[in-house]
Amino acid sequence: GAGVSQTPSNKVTEKGKYVELRCDPISGHTALYWYRQSLGQGPEFLIYFQGTGAADDSGLPNDRFFAVRPEGSVSTLKIQRTERGDSAVYLCASSSSGLFTGELFFGEGSRLTVL
Amino acid sequence: GDSVTQMEGPVTLSEEAFLTINCTYTATGYPSLFWYVQYPGEGLQLLLKATKADDKGSNKGFEATYRKETTSFHLEKGSVQVSDSAVYFCALTLNSGGSNYKLTFGKGTLLTVNP
Repeated sequence: GAGVSQTPSNKVTEKGKYVELRCDPISGHTALYWYRQSLGQGPEFLIYFQGTGAADDSGLPNDRFFAVRPEGSVSTLKIQRTERGDSAVYLCASSSSGLFTGELFFGEGSRLTVL
Repeated sequence: GDSVTQMEGPVTLSEEAFLTINCTYTATGYPSLFWYVQYPGEGLQLLLKATKADDKGSNKGFEATYRKETTSFHLEKGSVQVSDSAVYFCALTLNSGGSNYKLTFGKGTLLTVNP
């Protein structure tokens, strides 16, 4: 399909483990975003990429969280030493470059459960 | 800080009923306002938007008017259909300060429409 693809759709892990979540944006979209949606809450901003660089990582909750986008397309969100409080749905979105219109194209999300 | 408050759900209506989902915001500066919708099994998608006071956004029979005096952006539809069953999110971005790409979401309102 031509939409934003996220893998895995579900991930169950144990406290303390390392996790990687992958996002494949819409082809040609240079802007990529990660959001986190905890139970009963709206999505919260984590990080924004323009091309290969992280233009704004102010939403990452602490240094256990890191994201990369080495070739300006696929992005990986990495979480070290997972904690139960990291359990949430992690959403990826992309948009075309140029003037920001507010229209982000979201994937279905990766549901992370930390036991 | 900037925030969005939505009416709590769930909201359950019969087909052809009138829908209102309330949304109010707090923002420093002049935000752009959005409604996003998440249908079952799909990613969030933009439903409508308004970028300045008194603008009306509309799409698929839904409307919302940007009211600066009441800091509100209530979503309305005159006659809902079963296919409108979804979670609706109100959101804002700031048009100044260099971070207009960052969406701030409300908690979402689950709408169920029964035949």
